[in-house]
Amino acid sequence: AQSVTQPDIHITVSEGASLELRCNYSYGATPYLFWYVQSPGQGLQLLLKYFSGDTLVQGIKGFEAEFKRSQSSFNLRKPSVHWSDAAEYFCAVGAGTGNQFYFGTGTSLTVIP
Amino acid sequence: SQTIHQWPATLVQPVGSPLSLECTVEGTSNPNLYWYRQAAGRGLQLLFYSVGIGQISSEVPQNLSASRPQDRQFILSSKKLLLSDSGFYLCAWSVEGRGNSPLHFGNGTRLTVT
Repeated sequence: AQSVTQPDIHITVSEGASLELRCNYSYGATPYLFWYVQSPGQGLQLLLKYFSGDTLVQGIKGFEAEFKRSQSSFNLRKPSVHWSDAAEYFCAVGAGTGNQFYFGTGTSLTVIP
Repeated sequence: SQTIHQWPATLVQPVGSPLSLECTVEGTSNPNLYWYRQAAGRGLQLLFYSVGIGQISSEVPQNLSASRPQDRQFILSSKKLLLSDSGFYLCAWSVEGRGNSPLHFGNGTRLTVT
């Protein structure tokens, strides 16, 4: 069965420090992978997506993610975190003809000044 | 460009009252449409999705229903709200028939059932 796991429920980093949020997926074929960010009381905003090709994808707000097929992972990274990055982050897998999306339970990011 | 509108932004309703949340998409045709619910501090739960007018698939049995009376309009309803219906409701759309099309979300409706 398809699933997405975000092992870290909550992460705290200092402003200016690097960030890596983990995501592991279970899917039988080549997945379509996405990272979203959600600020409190808001909808989800797409940060980046991976379909095929270069396994390192760049997104908005300085984020990047790397697809590693051997590890079934799609971790999100940022070299230097800003206080405005504090939010909830969701990893998702898209499947089929576009009707099916599987979300992780999210990682809450706190940024310390 | 495509935009998605969802309203109202917040809603407080008593138990047993009806519910109607509306979502409309602009700038695209024949989108896939979705309703998700997000309970406090939890992930996303898919409630309904639609691939066309009048075509609704329900993922979770409950006292909620969805309708798609027009191509780009998606409505979430209930005849009688329960306390457990409280939560953050998100409408989303994606391009029909494309598995690599991401979901695009509205700003959500915060529903509190009292």
